[in-house]
Amino acid sequence: DTAVSQTPKYLVTQMGNDKSIKCEQNLGHDTMYWYKQDSKKFLKIMFSYNNKELIINETVPNRFSPKSPDKAHLNLHINSLELGDSAVYFCASSQVQNYGYTFGSGTRLTVV
Amino acid sequence: SQQGEEDPQALSIQEGENATMNCSYKTSINNLQWYRQNSGRGLVHLILIRSNEREKHSGRLRVTLDTSKKSSSLLITASRAADTASYFCVLTGANSKLTFGKGITLSVRP
Repeated sequence: DTAVSQTPKYLVTQMGNDKSIKCEQNLGHDTMYWYKQDSKKFLKIMFSYNNKELIINETVPNRFSPKSPDKAHLNLHINSLELGDSAVYFCASSQVQNYGYTFGSGTRLTVV
Repeated sequence: SQQGEEDPQALSIQEGENATMNCSYKTSINNLQWYRQNSGRGLVHLILIRSNEREKHSGRLRVTLDTSKKSSSLLITASRAADTASYFCVLTGANSKLTFGKGITLSVRP
C-alpha cells in the first residue's frame, strides 16, 4: 500500500534522449510536487500542482514538462537529457500546501 | 529565497546518547519543519513548529524555536541505530514557499 509511488526507481540513459518519470499517490491529497536532489543532497522544488493546476514552476529548463492527468498523478517528462540532469528526483504530495509532505522513494536518473 | 543553515553538517554518536541538531535562518518564517531521509529513500515528515510556538514534542523528538535568534533545534533523545539518517530543516517563508536546508548526516553507532 505505497502512499506515493514513482517509477522507475533507477533510470540510466544517454544524452539527448527523452524520458518520463511517473508518480501516483493514493492518499487523496490535492497537491503534488516534483523535487530535484543533487549530489550534495540539496533539494530544490521544480513544480507544484494543486488539483491538476500548476501553481509553482521554479526556474526549470523548458525541457522539463510536468503533466497531471488527474489529481492523483503527476508525471515528469524530460526532453533532450543533459549530463547535468543526473540527480535523484522526488515526487511528493500533501493535503495542505507546503505542510506534511509524503515523499516517494525517488528516481535516480543518470545521464551518460 | 532563503534556506536554513544546519549545524553540524555531520554528527556521530553512540546509541543511547542524545543528538542535537541546529538550524538557523535569516528572514521571518511562518513555520519550520524537520524531515528525515534514510539512505536511498524519500523524506519523512517529523514535526512542524509554528512561528508562535516555542517547543513541541513528538515521542523521542523535541523541537524548539527561538524567533528572536532565528534558530531552531531538533533533539533526539536516547538515540537508536535506526535514527541514522539525514535530517533536514525546512522553512516556510511569508511567500509560502518551502526551502530545504542541505541536511545533517546523523550516524548512531550501535
